[in-house]
Amino acid sequence: DQQVKQNSPSLSVQEGRISILNCDYTNSMFDYFLWYKKYPAEGPTFLISISSIKDKNEDGRFTVFLNKSAKHLSLHIVPSQPGDSAVYFCAASRPTGNQFYFGTGTSLTVIP
Amino acid sequence: NAGVTQTPKFQVLKTGQSMTLQCAQDMNHEYMSWYRQDPGMGLRLIHYSVGAGITDQGEVPNGYNVSRSTTEDFPLRLLSAAPSQTSVYFCASSYGAGPLNTGELFFGEGSRLTVL
Repeated sequence: DQQVKQNSPSLSVQEGRISILNCDYTNSMFDYFLWYKKYPAEGPTFLISISSIKDKNEDGRFTVFLNKSAKHLSLHIVPSQPGDSAVYFCAASRPTGNQFYFGTGTSLTVIP
Repeated sequence: NAGVTQTPKFQVLKTGQSMTLQCAQDMNHEYMSWYRQDPGMGLRLIHYSVGAGITDQGEVPNGYNVSRSTTEDFPLRLLSAAPSQTSVYFCASSYGAGPLNTGELFFGEGSRLTVL
């Protein structure tokens, strides 16, 4: 049973435009959420995170939004660059756990 | 800066064979873990360890064994490989006794395993 879902397997965006990647979760106990970025033949790398006490966190071109009532988070990339082309995973964790639950990933292609 | 090192990068096994995927980190991380990545399934936790001598099961532990005799190493053993274990395996580590301390896992580059 997938507790973290990314319903869009792929997304294509023009360079300079906004990329919006979405993630839904089912477990109301999750209180910490992260986004990871993965290039082919490499391991995932941490991108940005958000705690459930916030509804927004920014880091440069990357912003994560959290809607707890909808159990939904999104990652906005503005402006999108060709180097952003990668697979993006969202992940979530519980307060008293030692594991992250990952989504299935969204492959982003930024077209020059 | 080696970070998290996994070996081998590629391996082909026959059903029933055994093998060990090696993972080493040089960041003095207490927490180490193994994930598998399958198409349409994302990353799923197999086993994890919060320190030397301590291991625990994740979401999909069946068919895999682990041990943690040192802080640096966390090998993953397949005792009798099955085609269902064909996957890409990632080792990851984190500061402190769990990823919640910093919210960040450092991943290795992955090991692609094919079981025929």
